[in-house]
Amino acid sequence: ILNVEQSPQSLHVQEGDSTNFTCSFPSSNFYALHWYRWETAKSPEALFVMTLNGDEKKKGRISATLNTKEGYSYLYIKGSQPEDSATYLCASLPDSGAGSYQLTFGKGTKLSVIP
Amino acid sequence: NAGVMQNPRHLVRRRGQEARLRCSPMKGHSHVYWYRQLPEEGLKFMVYLQKENIIDESGMPKERFSAEFPKEGPSILRIQQVVRGDSAAYFCASSPTGTGASRRTQYFGPGTRLLVL
Repeated sequence: ILNVEQSPQSLHVQEGDSTNFTCSFPSSNFYALHWYRWETAKSPEALFVMTLNGDEKKKGRISATLNTKEGYSYLYIKGSQPEDSATYLCASLPDSGAGSYQLTFGKGTKLSVIP
Repeated sequence: NAGVMQNPRHLVRRRGQEARLRCSPMKGHSHVYWYRQLPEEGLKFMVYLQKENIIDESGMPKERFSAEFPKEGPSILRIQQVVRGDSAAYFCASSPTGTGASRRTQYFGPGTRLLVL
């Protein structure tokens, strides 16, 4: 994998359903994986920064896992609420070399929670 | 503690004009990053600056684009002689001082939407 890929591109779920989506990233020269939550016309909001293989982070009903060996992260939302509707972005940060401060973003997963 | 501020939020320019986008980082942050989102694309890195220094401009187009982060005042992204292809959302992010922390979370502003007619 050369780029950061996110799937699905968009997702509609009913209120109360749990859901998850995927971020794939280059596993070589890896330093950190960032998740952001982005509502239209607002600033992307930092959710998690993950660095270690096997990392699990949780913030309320949202959690994320990280597998650096195979280059993927999952974001889970338990009991989705309408206010969870947003685009969820992931971005990888390389360990060293040119561009080691550049976040490389996926195109995002747009989540719509239907009341 | 105010977040990252960007202005203007929307900017309309005619082809050939100049666009100036401003970014005020979070208080205490001395690292600033600019990203661009073209239609149907993800956010793409443009430039990374510290006070009075450009650290990495590898993502910036070689012509017409420049960035600065003076000792006093906001960071400025300047686009000269804009063309229609410059129409995009431009986002600024900041992070705290220090090597370790600066490579962890980048805090984003709400972006400036540039439309070139």
